[in-house]
Amino acid sequence: NAGVTQTPKFRVLKTGQSMTLLCAQDMNHEYMYWYRQDPGMGLRLIHYSVGEGTTAKGEVPDGYNVSRLKKQNFLLGLESAAPSQTSVYFCASSSTPGTGRYEQFFGPGTRLTVL
Amino acid sequence: KQEVTQIPAALSVPEGENLVLNCSFTDSAIYNLQWFRQDPGKGLTSLLLIQSSQREQTSGRLNASLDKSSGRSTLYIAASQPGDSATYLCAGDEAAGNKLTFGGGTRVLVKP
Repeated sequence: NAGVTQTPKFRVLKTGQSMTLLCAQDMNHEYMYWYRQDPGMGLRLIHYSVGEGTTAKGEVPDGYNVSRLKKQNFLLGLESAAPSQTSVYFCASSSTPGTGRYEQFFGPGTRLTVL
Repeated sequence: KQEVTQIPAALSVPEGENLVLNCSFTDSAIYNLQWFRQDPGKGLTSLLLIQSSQREQTSGRLNASLDKSSGRSTLYIAASQPGDSATYLCAGDEAAGNKLTFGGGTRVLVKP
């Protein structure tokens, strides 16, 4: 029972490079989220999706793009990485609010360093 | 905008003592409140979810209460063990989209 998985676990980028973080869930959840966690700032929502083919901005969306082409996958892209994007990125998923318990389940995180 | 605060930022207790962790939020219209545990270098593990119509939830040694009128939630951990050492985060969501706003967390150390 994998739950929420994230690829890769670690990555080092140079300023200006691009990359994509992959999140996959096997719980048939409709909702998926991307957060970043920084010391002193806590966890902040970057983008989220309420179903396949949908995306929406969270609290800190600038510099990131997302896609939800398949229900089980949610991709986070950095078009031109900046040192300010050095962070730990977490993906989460949940069932639809209002349909019983819909707590969020988190992946193990991706630690990204931008030099 | 919802703001979630956890005080203290760090807490150290001897093994066997009961833990009381506090979480306060500014908007009483909070829909649900969720408590998480995070071990160093790991992801978040969901501990308890208190839905808007509930006042508390229990799981084993853990009990969480929610008082929307006072803007507070409390997580109780009975008879603490060294394995309870971790950072505990609370988060509240809006009614639409289940977007969580997190507190800064309380780092707990249970000394043997």
